[in-house]
Amino acid sequence: VQLLESGPGLTHPGGSLRLSCAASGFNFNNYAMTWVRQAPGKGLEWVSGVSGSGGSTYYSDSVRGRFIISRDNSKSTLSLQMNSLTAEDTAVYYCVKNWKGVVAGSRNYFDQWGQGILVTVS
Amino acid sequence: QSVLTQPPSASGTPGQRVTISCSGSSSNIGSNTVDWYLQVPGTAPRLLIYSVNQRPSGVPARFSGSTSGTSASLAISGLQSEDEAHYYCATWDDRLNGVVFGGGTKLTVL
Repeated sequence: VQLLESGPGLTHPGGSLRLSCAASGFNFNNYAMTWVRQAPGKGLEWVSGVSGSGGSTYYSDSVRGRFIISRDNSKSTLSLQMNSLTAEDTAVYYCVKNWKGVVAGSRNYFDQWGQGILVTVS
Repeated sequence: QSVLTQPPSASGTPGQRVTISCSGSSSNIGSNTVDWYLQVPGTAPRLLIYSVNQRPSGVPARFSGSTSGTSASLAISGLQSEDEAHYYCATWDDRLNGVVFGGGTKLTVL
């Protein structure tokens, strides 16, 4: 399994940015995918998740209305469109594979993590 | 302020047993299984314990998890220097409709 994040690393306050995650080594459309972020020196924060089919999406309160998660199962790619960015969005963003095909509920842990990509809003 | 509460730090000497607590509520730990992640500084987190007390392949039996009501615990026995890392608990929250993490516990091996 490999999860490789990519995207611009720097943007200004109020700007937009799109992250991508190229997945390989597993049947991508069978699994939900998630973005988790970590601000410098801080803990982990769940950002958003999307079901394996792409039909269900979930967002944390801190990003709802500003970020959009999507996936292209034909290309095994996960994306995160980030709008109206502020300095508080500065963090390492991890692309994460769920154990199940759905986002919600129990027994749905994160079994694979990408190496992360630093996004700086300044 | 994290939804799940962990002590910011913990420590022990080699060979000792240490536990890390994770306190939540009825909408998260009280209703859903807890997972634990380990993060060595400068690297990505990785799964340590899932579904309360299950270990992924490659995780030593020294690591174990448990829950009781709205709290969860991670126990590490036979502490080793390579166990120095940050440890995070996580679970689904039915009220927030999302995953919640603990604030993380930095484990130091003295």
